[in-house]
Amino acid sequence: GAVVSQHPSWVICKSGTSVKIECRSLDFQATTMFWYRQFPKQSLMLMATSNEGSKATYEQGVEKDKFLINHASLTLSTLTVTSAHPEDSSFYICSSSITGSYSNQPQHFGDGTRLSIL
Amino acid sequence: GEDVEQSLFLSVREGDSSVINCTYTDSSSTYLYWYKQEPGAGLQLLTYIFSNMDMKQDQRLTVLLNKKDKHLSLRIADTQTGDSAIYFCAEKRTGNQFYFGTGTSLTVIP
Repeated sequence: GAVVSQHPSWVICKSGTSVKIECRSLDFQATTMFWYRQFPKQSLMLMATSNEGSKATYEQGVEKDKFLINHASLTLSTLTVTSAHPEDSSFYICSSSITGSYSNQPQHFGDGTRLSIL
Repeated sequence: GEDVEQSLFLSVREGDSSVINCTYTDSSSTYLYWYKQEPGAGLQLLTYIFSNMDMKQDQRLTVLLNKKDKHLSLRIADTQTGDSAIYFCAEKRTGNQFYFGTGTSLTVIP
């Protein structure tokens, strides 16, 4: 079945560092990928929609200069947390679904990246 | 409002049935989903239902949909300790965007 791979799974770094998270669709093409953020014991919050070959669409309240998204190919989207600070510590999850005419296709999720900023 | 709501906690004894409820918001949502999340992991798709269906059964899982009340439920038969996790319902809105419920933490007591 469809698989989404996310890397790295865990990052610990100093405040002020920029961190890049990769999301790959392994056996399907994904013109659209989604980035979510999840705080402990809370639901997923949609941050942005990543569109291949065009600019990402950000949800209200999400700083696009802080969370840079690049979707340069049909199988790879990246999220870069720029100049990360402790309040950016969270669990980041990407997802995608098979594109095409099958509108019932569910989202397939990566395993998430736990980001800890010291 | 925009929220997809679920009760936060549910505890059941091993072997009993679990019922997790969800109230969604967008009556035009065509598909509704249930996902399972184990600690520190991503989300695993369990099942989904098309909005013109009332019920869907898949092995131990039964999904009931009341479109009039925008109420979705997931029943897990013969609940096992391995079913302990957080369960999220999700609705698929326009633009292929998914909006998730607040999550229900299921604890199965041996």
